[in-house]
Amino acid sequence: DQQVKQNSPSLSVQEGRISILNCDYTNSMFDYFLWYKKYPAEGPTFLISISSIKDKNEDGRFTVFLNKSAKHLSLHIVPSQPGDSAVYFCAADARDNNNDMRFGAGTRLTVKP
Amino acid sequence: DSGVTQTPKHLITATGQRVTLRCSPRSGDLSVYWYQQSLDQGLQFLIQYYNGEERAKGNILERFSAQQFPDLHSELNLSSLELGDSALYFCASSVDGYSGNTIYFGEGSWLTVV
Repeated sequence: DQQVKQNSPSLSVQEGRISILNCDYTNSMFDYFLWYKKYPAEGPTFLISISSIKDKNEDGRFTVFLNKSAKHLSLHIVPSQPGDSAVYFCAADARDNNNDMRFGAGTRLTVKP
Repeated sequence: DSGVTQTPKHLITATGQRVTLRCSPRSGDLSVYWYQQSLDQGLQFLIQYYNGEERAKGNILERFSAQQFPDLHSELNLSSLELGDSALYFCASSVDGYSGNTIYFGEGSWLTVV
């Protein structure tokens, strides 16, 4: 069940420009969203999160936007750097007694120098 | 280094066989999760344990089973293996297993079924 969808398998941007990664979800019970970054041969690492009570959360060059009515969130990276090249996973969870997050298929970001 | 340790890193086995993947969570974390990542697929949630008890179950096949031991390490057992079980299996852990807590992933165990 693809409750979390990342429809763009890859994205390529120039260094210094903005990277925008998109994610859609179908389960209206989701109220906590996260982005993970994964380098080759490593496990995913937590990047940034947002609760459904907010529509924006910023951490340095990374900003996550949430549009609850559209069931859509996006990750903005400004400015993009070559070291940002990785696979980015969107994840969503519902506020309940467990932490069975659902992940999207990932978007491979390539930042060109 | 996330502090989550998985062994083995790579494993090649034949169809019909059984394998066990092992995970040691971060120090102090009580909850362990297992995820499967197949080619071109996202991370599929398999199962979650908290302090030795099963907390949540996802898309885990009946041929697969897991457990968390008193020392909090976990094992994922995969039996009657099929070619389609070839994947990267991640273990993750979090402090208490409740929604909203960040989970930390290990580097994964690559399973190839031939």
